[in-house]
Amino acid sequence: NAGVMQNPRHLVRRRGQEARLRCSPMKGHSHVYWYRQLPEEGLKFMVYLQKENIIDESGMPKERFSAEFPKEGPSILRIQQVVRGDSAAYFCASSTGLAGGPDEQFFGPGTRLTVL
Amino acid sequence: GENVEQHPSTLSVQEGDSAVIKCTYSDSASNYFPWYKQELGKRPQLIIDIRSNVGEKKDQRIAVTLNKTAKHFSLHITETQPVDSAVYFCAPLNDYKLSFGAGTTVTVRA
Repeated sequence: NAGVMQNPRHLVRRRGQEARLRCSPMKGHSHVYWYRQLPEEGLKFMVYLQKENIIDESGMPKERFSAEFPKEGPSILRIQQVVRGDSAAYFCASSTGLAGGPDEQFFGPGTRLTVL
Repeated sequence: GENVEQHPSTLSVQEGDSAVIKCTYSDSASNYFPWYKQELGKRPQLIIDIRSNVGEKKDQRIAVTLNKTAKHFSLHITETQPVDSAVYFCAPLNDYKLSFGAGTTVTVRA
């Protein structure tokens, strides 16, 4: 059973370009979470999605950032008109979403975004 | 939102000694308390977790204790080894949102 997959692993963009980060959850997982980690900090929650639904995007900046999890295909985190402050590691996690208690989240390897 | 604090921020121990990291949180609704280990450039990996109806859990050299009344939980690593050197994060979960602490850099001296 492959784990959470993310690509690309490294992404370099110039200021003003767009960045697209992809996340394929573990097989059987229907819940996806995106977190951002700045250097030497903990991860910060950005957005929580289920298939075709954004459940909570309270941690995501209101402008330039968007996320989706379509019926088919990976979840996408999109950053438009990137700025240097967007440079960070972006981690995706997935869980089963089964009822009955807290849901363990499994993390992908992350995408390291560098904005020049 | 949840306010999470970890102490200490750095910890250097001699190989074979024990290491203890404490995490305090503010939201009494948190009901799941994991600890993650992150090596440089790698993903956070779950090393141990505890649920709100349990006070202590042990897995070989690693243990976690929870005090829900005081709203803190701790990671205990015994007989430390150089491979334990990494950054450790607590991340209490409320509903579906993990709130990560700032991390503790653990260095095990051989």
